Amino acid sequence: AAGVIQSPRHLIKEKRETATLKCYPIPRHDTVYWYQQGPGQDPQFLISFYEKMQSDKGSIPDRFSAQQFSDYHSELNMSSLELGDSALYFCASSFLAGGRETQYFGPGTRLLVL
Amino acid sequence: SQQGEEDPQALSIQEGENATMNCSYKTSINNLQWYRQNSGRGLVHLILIRSNEREKHSGRLRVTLDTSKKSSSLLITASRAADTASYFCATDYNQGGKLIFGQGTELSVKP
Repeated sequence: AAGVIQSPRHLIKEKRETATLKCYPIPRHDTVYWYQQGPGQDPQFLISFYEKMQSDKGSIPDRFSAQQFSDYHSELNMSSLELGDSALYFCASSFLAGGRETQYFGPGTRLLVL
Repeated sequence: SQQGEEDPQALSIQEGENATMNCSYKTSINNLQWYRQNSGRGLVHLILIRSNEREKHSGRLRVTLDTSKKSSSLLITASRAADTASYFCATDYNQGGKLIFGQGTELSVKP
């Protein structure tokens, strides 16, 4: 079965640079979620989109922005990167209109800021 | 953690034994989900239990939910070395909203 696709899988950036992470949800899924997992930490919710509209916002820094496009893929844009942004970034998708709350996670993008 | 506690934080058992992990949360939920994460890799969904359910099974997994105590447990029976991973509970307060994760239990199953 198709899964959530994230790209790139690994990313190395310098401080103050920008990064764009991409997420392709499972086909027919209408909701995308972004989470950040620091080393040894539990995943923390950043932001979500339902039918291309922002549906919820968590502890996402103002330096980050995200959107969901007409084909339902989503991008997380991160600017002025800081060392503390080094983490695993997960995208998850679900099919809320189908009454299915289970969130299916992608493999993650490992971001290292030097 | 935003949610509450998971215990134990680490658990080491022998293959064939059962493993039980517990999770507590703070406020009323819509559902609770359990995930597995192999070292630094993706989160694999294991099972979802709704607030009106008390017990659910999936293969070697049994999940219970006690809404009066705001707690859940995950039991893995007849454990295998391949079950070695971190296990997280995650609560959904808003029917399809953000998940709030617990701190996780690191399970080690020795062959």
